[in-house]
Amino acid sequence: DGGITQSPKYLFRKEGQNVTLSCEQNLNHDAMYWYRQDPGQGLRLIYYSQIVNDFQKGDIAEGYSVSREKKESFPLTVTSAQKNPTAFYLCASSIEGIRRQPQHFGDGTRLSIL
Amino acid sequence: GESVGLHLPTLSVQEGDNSIINCAYSNSASDYFIWYKQESGKGPQFIIDIRSNMDKRQGQRVTVLLNKTVKHLSLQIAATQPGDSAVYFCAERSADKLIFGTGTRLQVFP
Repeated sequence: DGGITQSPKYLFRKEGQNVTLSCEQNLNHDAMYWYRQDPGQGLRLIYYSQIVNDFQKGDIAEGYSVSREKKESFPLTVTSAQKNPTAFYLCASSIEGIRRQPQHFGDGTRLSIL
Repeated sequence: GESVGLHLPTLSVQEGDNSIINCAYSNSASDYFIWYKQESGKGPQFIIDIRSNMDKRQGQRVTVLLNKTVKHLSLQIAATQPGDSAVYFCAERSADKLIFGTGTRLQVFP
């Protein structure tokens, strides 16, 4: 079955630590996205990538970094500069970028602070 | 659901009844709209979409209505089932960007 796999499901971060969230898709989609979901708020875009080796900042990119070395993979690193990292992180993909909807989502990673 | 919010508006319906979930969108220039369903601890799942040149679109047991005059979108679920219990939220596309709503929790009781 094609889909998006996010791992781990739960992640804990210590102060000053960088952590990396994994996102892998086998849908052969060109575009991939990272969103953050907080209680009472809509999804907010962190970063997106429309093609391998290219990515763009979203609305809340500060304190995060990404890479897109392979079409299938779009890992997100939450750096120590992100002062409020506790959230549910969702990875998504779509066929050809923002004009090709809908997006397919993974089942998320919940990040908490120790 | 733990991932979505503690203070979402909630719609409670009896199994077998029809559900109507509403969404007010922000930008009159938005040209495309999507409804998602999100179960507890899961990622959002696409339900149905509609373009701005349409007023209504039907899927299996679901209908989306778009009223551009008042910037309102609704999702109707026919014969609501226990498996429909989830958070539902809309998204609008504006200037190649998706803007997501906060969602409504649907609770189905027997």
